Amino acid sequence: GAGVSQTPSNKVTEKGKYVELRCDPISGHTALYWYRQSLGQGPEFLIYFQGTGAADDSGLPNDRFFAVRPEGSVSTLKIQRTERGDSAVYLCASSISTADTQYFGPGTRLTVL
Amino acid sequence: DAKTTQPTSMDCAEGRAANLPCNHSTISGNEYVYWYRQIHSQGPQYIIHGLKNNETNEMASLIITEDRKSSTLILPHATLRDTAVYYCIVRVVYSGAGSYQLTFGKGTKLSVIP
Repeated sequence: GAGVSQTPSNKVTEKGKYVELRCDPISGHTALYWYRQSLGQGPEFLIYFQGTGAADDSGLPNDRFFAVRPEGSVSTLKIQRTERGDSAVYLCASSISTADTQYFGPGTRLTVL
Repeated sequence: DAKTTQPTSMDCAEGRAANLPCNHSTISGNEYVYWYRQIHSQGPQYIIHGLKNNETNEMASLIITEDRKSSTLILPHATLRDTAVYYCIVRVVYSGAGSYQLTFGKGTKLSVIP
């Protein structure tokens, strides 16, 4: 079956611009996670949704980062006033329910010039 | 911080078994051991997980010591496509209202050599 998909696969933007990154979870998966991976590091947790609500956003680095999941399926990660330090691969994962195995998408590589 | 310790890198000859160790000496009774791998420029791929019994699936075997303080991931016949970074992660089975985010360390870079 179809796995987690993320679009775009690559995004290049200029410092100060706004970007949106999209995640389509596996159909029927109620839990959705966003992670960020910097070069040479393991992924780091950003935010977790159970259904439509953000159940844990403790990993978001600051208030420039925001994520939504309005219908409990697709999620969008939004970054305002991008900075060069935001350059990373942004990964999305989903699971059937909260405590189940997470399956990852291919990621979106964000480059801020 | 990650609750696991893994070697930074390992080599394995193609066709041989790859045995990847992981120490998780502070693991608690309600935590699983999960293994993921990440091939260059791809998202992490789930491999296997276990609580206290050994587990096997089509990809690998997971051996957990009786005291649960360490485990070994075994790829029985490594191929060049198994070259990747392998992450060992401990994660709660159930934590009530909490989330279940995965805490990744730096993993083990496995190189399968022809």
